[in-house]
Amino acid sequence: QVQLVQSGAEVRKPGASVKVSCKASGYTFTNYDINWVRQATGHGPEWVGWTSPNSGNTGYAQKFQGRVTITRSTSISTAYMEVNSLRSEDTAVYYCVRYDYTDKRAFDLWGQGTMVTVSS
Amino acid sequence: QSALTQPASVSGSPGQSITISCTGTSSDIGGYNYVSWYQRHPGKAPKLMIYKVTNRPSGVSYRFSGSKSGNTASLIISGLQAEDEADYYCTSYTGSSWVFGGGTKLTVL
Repeated sequence: QVQLVQSGAEVRKPGASVKVSCKASGYTFTNYDINWVRQATGHGPEWVGWTSPNSGNTGYAQKFQGRVTITRSTSISTAYMEVNSLRSEDTAVYYCVRYDYTDKRAFDLWGQGTMVTVSS
Repeated sequence: QSALTQPASVSGSPGQSITISCTGTSSDIGGYNYVSWYQRHPGKAPKLMIYKVTNRPSGVSYRFSGSKSGNTASLIISGLQAEDEADYYCTSYTGSSWVFGGGTKLTVL
């Protein structure tokens, strides 16, 4: 079954860090990019960044540069997103998303989402 | 990069057609044909409905179609069904990143 399975919900205090994992199965991990998108309650989705599982290249939205790190482990078909210096505005559901860069040029498979709550 | 503009809500009766608009700028929708639409039911992950402005993935109903004119893209749903009630989001490539719309809640009356 083609799917992305994310790690469970997290609660952190302001200033802390969180690392979310995303395990791919049912397809060749290195044939698609992995992007991260977050959505806060009552807001539209917001693109965070991407990685190429094949090359390890990464890119980030300007507002997350320096505070978010996206990595991957090809041996276990898993991507990771770490967010540092958390603030309350980072409270959101974070999705890992498969990006088809050869055909659809769209996000064609989404993980189930990971709720990250930042609260003192 | 500002979010794309979508109406907060639209509604229609079963069998009718509705259109959801998504307005951006010449730096996103107007500059690229990489506009896609997603459907999200409560508690579920988003599902790709339209890609590259007008294309439907395998398994998506023919009742869903997309178009673009200038800086505005549109999602058209014909023959509305109860199961179409969901939130819909548009997104566009910007040359170096992606921008999403705020989402439209579709209510089937």
